[in-house]
Amino acid sequence: GESVGLHLPTLSVQEGDNSIINCAYSNSASDYFIWYKQESGKGPQFIIDIRSNMDKRQGQRVTVLLNKTVKHLSLQIAATQPGDSAVYFCAEFVSGGYNKLIFGAGTRLAVHP
Amino acid sequence: KAGVTQTPRYLIKTRGQQVTLSCSPISGHRSVSWYQQTPGQGLQFLFEYFSETQRNKGNFPGRFSGRQFSNSRSEMNVSTLELGDSALYLCASSLGTGNNEKLFFGSGTQLSVL
Repeated sequence: GESVGLHLPTLSVQEGDNSIINCAYSNSASDYFIWYKQESGKGPQFIIDIRSNMDKRQGQRVTVLLNKTVKHLSLQIAATQPGDSAVYFCAEFVSGGYNKLIFGAGTRLAVHP
Repeated sequence: KAGVTQTPRYLIKTRGQQVTLSCSPISGHRSVSWYQQTPGQGLQFLFEYFSETQRNKGNFPGRFSGRQFSNSRSEMNVSTLELGDSALYLCASSLGTGNNEKLFFGSGTQLSVL
């Protein structure tokens, strides 16, 4: 069946450290992936995306890595700040599924001062 | 540019009632998708509309329905509410011009069924 999962449900880091959030996906036909950040009381906020023809994409303080061989995604956050505390979701689009996203379970990132 | 707007923000209903939720997409966006978020099941796709037509549908019972108007605004309806329908209902919009687009989410409608 279709599924996108996360290895770590909760990640605690010190302010200033780098964070790495991992995600495994099961559908080899997926060709587009998005990371979302969700803060309490808000909807998911787009962070960064990557298409299946890429291995790496960088944004401001964030990097997404895609390993299609093992169907694995990771989100790296540099110099983690208290404002980064939230739940992070990876999501995949299945080719031809229009805008149907399959979300992972989510990882809670807690940043400690 | 205004983001995705969902109303109402909170709703309390009782079992057996029906409810209608509203979503106004970002200006210029023609695709609207709906998702249900619960602690147990996470975020699950309900359906997606484009040009007033449902293009894709998730695995939810027929009690869940939706529609889209000519101005791209969308509504979803849940009839004969059950306790398990308590959830955050999220709407997302995108341009709708192709597959695999960035989806932008609203803050959701928190539905509680008593």
